[in-house]
Amino acid sequence: GAGVSQTPSNKVTEKGKYVELRCDPISGHTALYWYRQSLGQGPEFLIYFQGTGAADDSGLPNDRFFAVRPEGSVSTLKIQRTERGDSAVYLCASARGGDYGYTFGSGTRLTVV
Amino acid sequence: AQSVTQLGSHVSVSEGALVLLRCNYSSSVPPYLFWYVQYPNQGLQLLLKYTSAATLVKGINGFEAEFKKSETSFHLTKPSAHMSDAAEYFCAVSEWRGANNLFFGTGTRLTVIP
Repeated sequence: GAGVSQTPSNKVTEKGKYVELRCDPISGHTALYWYRQSLGQGPEFLIYFQGTGAADDSGLPNDRFFAVRPEGSVSTLKIQRTERGDSAVYLCASARGGDYGYTFGSGTRLTVV
Repeated sequence: AQSVTQLGSHVSVSEGALVLLRCNYSSSVPPYLFWYVQYPNQGLQLLLKYTSAATLVKGINGFEAEFKKSETSFHLTKPSAHMSDAAEYFCAVSEWRGANNLFFGTGTRLTVIP
C-alpha cells in the first residue's frame, strides 16, 4: 500500500482481556518496528522484525507482550492480560532493508479500562 | 544506552520568525540522528536524518539541522515559521551507527502565533 496501515485506530478493552493490534507495512519493506507512545512521551521501542523473524525484541516490557510477522509482511502485536498501564498509542513503522528513517503508521490508541 | 534531551517541551514563535528546536544526545560516538514531526492524530513523519559526513542536513518543508559533535547537538531550524509548522517535533538517535531501534526525546510542541 501507499503507507503503513494500522488497525484498529482505537481500541478500548477491559483490564485482563487479550488484544491484537495489526500493522500492514509498505509493500516491499522488509524491516518492521513496533513502538509505544505514552501520553506526553516520545515513542519507545518495542520490537524489530527483519523479514519474518524478530531480530530485536529487547523493548518488549514483559512476557504479556508478543508480536509475530509470519509471512514477512503484516505483523500483529498481541497483549495478554491487559493492564491499565498498557494504555498508550502503539505505533508501527516500516523501512526498506538498510534504510534509516522509518515510515510510521498513524497508530492504534489502546485504552484499558 | 543512548538518550536524547529536547530542551523546551513547548516553543512559541511568531509567524515569519526563526524556529529553533534543541536536541542533545548522550553518546560520545556519533550516532545516526533524526527529526520527526507529528501532526494531531497522525503518525510521525521523517523531517530529516543525519547518517553521513555532511553535518548540515536539509529536510522537508524548509527545515534543516546541523550535527555538532563537539556539542553533541542536532538542533532543528527553519528561517521563517509558517502556521502549518505547528506540530510536535521529536528528535531521535540510534543506539549506534547501523542500529535499528531509535531512542526518542520527549518532544517539543511548536506553536506559531499569527
